[in-house]
Amino acid sequence: NAGVTQTPKFQVLKTGQSMTLQCAQDMNHNSMYWYRQDPGMGLRLIYYSASEGTTDKGEVPNGYNVSRLNKREFSLRLESAAPSQTSVYFCASSEVQNTEAFFGQGTRLTVV
Amino acid sequence: AQTVTQSQPEMSVQEAETVTLSCTYDTSESDYYLFWYKQPPSRQMILVIRQEAYKQQNATENRFSVNFQKAAKSFSLKISDSQLGDAAMYFCAYRSLFMNRDDKIIFGKGTRLHILP
Repeated sequence: NAGVTQTPKFQVLKTGQSMTLQCAQDMNHNSMYWYRQDPGMGLRLIYYSASEGTTDKGEVPNGYNVSRLNKREFSLRLESAAPSQTSVYFCASSEVQNTEAFFGQGTRLTVV
Repeated sequence: AQTVTQSQPEMSVQEAETVTLSCTYDTSESDYYLFWYKQPPSRQMILVIRQEAYKQQNATENRFSVNFQKAAKSFSLKISDSQLGDAAMYFCAYRSLFMNRDDKIIFGKGTRLHILP
């Protein structure tokens, strides 16, 4: 019963490096989300996808790109990492009728 | 755009006492869902309770209950008989009811709850 799986769990990047955070869910959910969590800022929405083939910007999309590869997978890419992108990143999924979001374990990313 | 505000960054409560966490939100929609999530030090996000805006009855889950005031756009969480395991960050969240492309879930900044033994 995996739910939402994020990889990696921890990552250290140098400024300017690129990387992709992977997310997969096995609950057949239509909606998927990427959030970042910073102290005192709560969870801020980066991008979301209401269905396969669609993606939309959230509150803080600058510096990120996403791909909804299929219904299961929703990846987040940092093309040129900056120290301001040091954060904990959460992927989540939800079925509209089911209403609540299910979260992955999070990725702690440090950009030095 | 919808917003969620949690005005209490931190709170403390004595073990076995009752505590209320505040949440207000802003929306022009009439139908929506509201949630409280708990995040313990493990970083896991755990759903505590949810409320459908079209239901007048306040939701209850064991020691957790909400006071939902739709007109005031207020959604507070009451924790009764507080236990050490309740120590965590609590997030209030909003979701539109309608099935459309704009399917966002918006979170507040959180309230860190300390339980004093």
